[in-house]
Amino acid sequence: QKEVEQDPGPLSVPEGAIVSLNCTYSNSAFQYFMWYRQYSRKGPELLMYTYSSGNKEDGRFTAQVDKSSKYISLFIRDSQPSDSATYLCAIEPGNTGKLIFGQGTTLQVKP
Amino acid sequence: DARVTQTPRHKVTEMGQEVTMRCQPILGHNTVFWYRQTMMQGLELLAYFRNRAPLDDSGMPKDRFSAEMPDATLATLKIQPSEPRDSAVYFCASGSDRLGEKLFFGSGTQLSVL
Repeated sequence: QKEVEQDPGPLSVPEGAIVSLNCTYSNSAFQYFMWYRQYSRKGPELLMYTYSSGNKEDGRFTAQVDKSSKYISLFIRDSQPSDSATYLCAIEPGNTGKLIFGQGTTLQVKP
Repeated sequence: DARVTQTPRHKVTEMGQEVTMRCQPILGHNTVFWYRQTMMQGLELLAYFRNRAPLDDSGMPKDRFSAEMPDATLATLKIQPSEPRDSAVYFCASGSDRLGEKLFFGSGTQLSVL
């Protein structure tokens, strides 16, 4: 079993839709959770960072962690064509600095 | 605008040839990571360094891959001999081991081994 599992999609939505992206992880000891966004032919860039459980909001983006079910989510409100990218969840086991990534979900927002 | 610089951006080579990829981390960052990205496996951690010392290279095929940091401004990933299954995008990322510091990724080296 992989440490982080993510449905690769692709996911296609109309502009303005609410998008929900999800990952599951295997080790309940993980405490640091991140979402990265990767545009085509670019390196990943950090979008959201969450420690432990709960929600974190940044503009149209909300990151949610449910440690009881080992489930992390990213919600995008009022999605825009510029949000079209691959979204990768990542965990940082034990403040090591290294990240373990999910497979990435490819999102397309159609005008 | 500080950024991680990777060279070359693209590399096409023949099976059996040596490939060297270079990375210049952001000035002041003390952690450097090498990742490989493929459609099948996603982003896989190959190796990482803290203060130029290798901490974990368990994700790297030891018989053909090697990673080094000759100095604080240069990290290298070498494949010798290269094989078609090594075709992938190789990313370098740098960061700081202060709690909460994010990783900054380079634009990657697209490697094709024929």
